[in-house]
Amino acid sequence: QSVLTQPPSASGTPGQRVTIFCSGSSSNIGINTVNWYQQLPGTAPKLLIYSNNHRPSGVPDRFSGSKSGTSASLAISGLQSEDEADYYCATWDDSLNGYVFGNGTKVTVL
Amino acid sequence: QVKLVESGGGVVQPGRSLRLSCAASGFTFSSSGMHWVRQAPGKGLEWVSFISYDGSNKYYADSVKGRFSISRDNSKNTLYLQMNSLRPGDTAVYSCAKGNTSPGYWGQGTLVTVSS
Repeated sequence: QSVLTQPPSASGTPGQRVTIFCSGSSSNIGINTVNWYQQLPGTAPKLLIYSNNHRPSGVPDRFSGSKSGTSASLAISGLQSEDEADYYCATWDDSLNGYVFGNGTKVTVL
Repeated sequence: QVKLVESGGGVVQPGRSLRLSCAASGFTFSSSGMHWVRQAPGKGLEWVSFISYDGSNKYYADSVKGRFSISRDNSKNTLYLQMNSLRPGDTAVYSCAKGNTSPGYWGQGTLVTVSS
């Protein structure tokens, strides 16, 4: 049972916009910045969004992040087949004194 | 470019120990915090431990506290994870990741299987 809650799955057709939500609490998302990771099948996770809404170099601007209160979201606009992957939110938890991941959301392109 | 290569995984019996290594290159290892993260087969990501750039600060997930120990040798650009009292629930791919606060760049990982 993760302290960060994500829906297990999300889907969309090519070109659509998909949004994944991540719910936390006052000890994690409420006071720390959120990162998002993308894990393509059979590969290592890749940092997709850091500090709530910043994209590392090379990440397409189709990916965007936001945070409000104790929740965060990742939006994928103009969905493409290569976006099929597992997506994880993550942040530091001050109560646990450790880094925590969401349970992950599998995105399927229909 | 940044390269992280984990080693030391394998099959081990419950209660035994194992030490993982992570060889780093392509960046200034001695200036970077490092993490260990694991992923059980078919499951999600679980953060395991963090060590600061100079080894002065260490943090652990509750699930491994008291059993696992993180360390580093900056002269060898190598990160370690000493795992004691292993349990079947520790079976996972263990990856090291570079990052001062949060994991940024990840290695491919090494598989640890705890089974009798």
